[in-house]
Amino acid sequence: DVKVTQSSRYLVKRTGEKVFLECVQDMDHENMFWYRQDPGLGLRLIYFSYDVKMKEKGDIPEGYSVSREKKERFSLILESASTNQTSMYLCASITSAGGPSNEQFFGPGTRLTVL
Amino acid sequence: SQQGEEDPQALSIQEGENATMNCSYKTSINNLQWYRQNSGRGLVHLILIRSNEREKHSGRLRVTLDTSKKSSSLLITASRAADTASYFCATSKAAGNKLTFGGGTRVLVKP
Repeated sequence: DVKVTQSSRYLVKRTGEKVFLECVQDMDHENMFWYRQDPGLGLRLIYFSYDVKMKEKGDIPEGYSVSREKKERFSLILESASTNQTSMYLCASITSAGGPSNEQFFGPGTRLTVL
Repeated sequence: SQQGEEDPQALSIQEGENATMNCSYKTSINNLQWYRQNSGRGLVHLILIRSNEREKHSGRLRVTLDTSKKSSSLLITASRAADTASYFCATSKAAGNKLTFGGGTRVLVKP
């Protein structure tokens, strides 16, 4: 059973704190993605990575950074959390070839609240 | 930027009825996919349609794609209470590539 796991389901942090969101996949996928989801806006891509130590900005990278030191792990970092980063964060992975269904596999999400 | 826009934003139907939702997008694509999200959970892939396909079926799901109008529709036939969820379309420009999601349609199926 394929799995994408995220380190926390719920997280509460204070403004200015450094926040780490971890994502691990066990499918040997090359490509990994971080999205945030807000009501009415769907999912918006923050950063993605097509290989270890590789990263590319998505549509809304401001205020975020990422780290991909190992193939199975992709971390999202909020250097100094702000209230407008309160959101649901979703991690996903896919093989570089896309697979027969080109399906991205999603983790369960982390609901982050910044006070 | 949001590639896909979905319509309607919300839909309420009785069990057994069909549910139809639409998605429009702006640029050329390799494929379009539909995902389902149950409340507060991750997304689950439902079906993919490639740019050279016009219609695809999977169980009670039927997807159409009109590349000339840059639009797609998802039909769920004979809906069940368990179909209550949010449905998102997502477009991709290449296999394995990043997805661009629409805003989603919230579907409520009343028993």
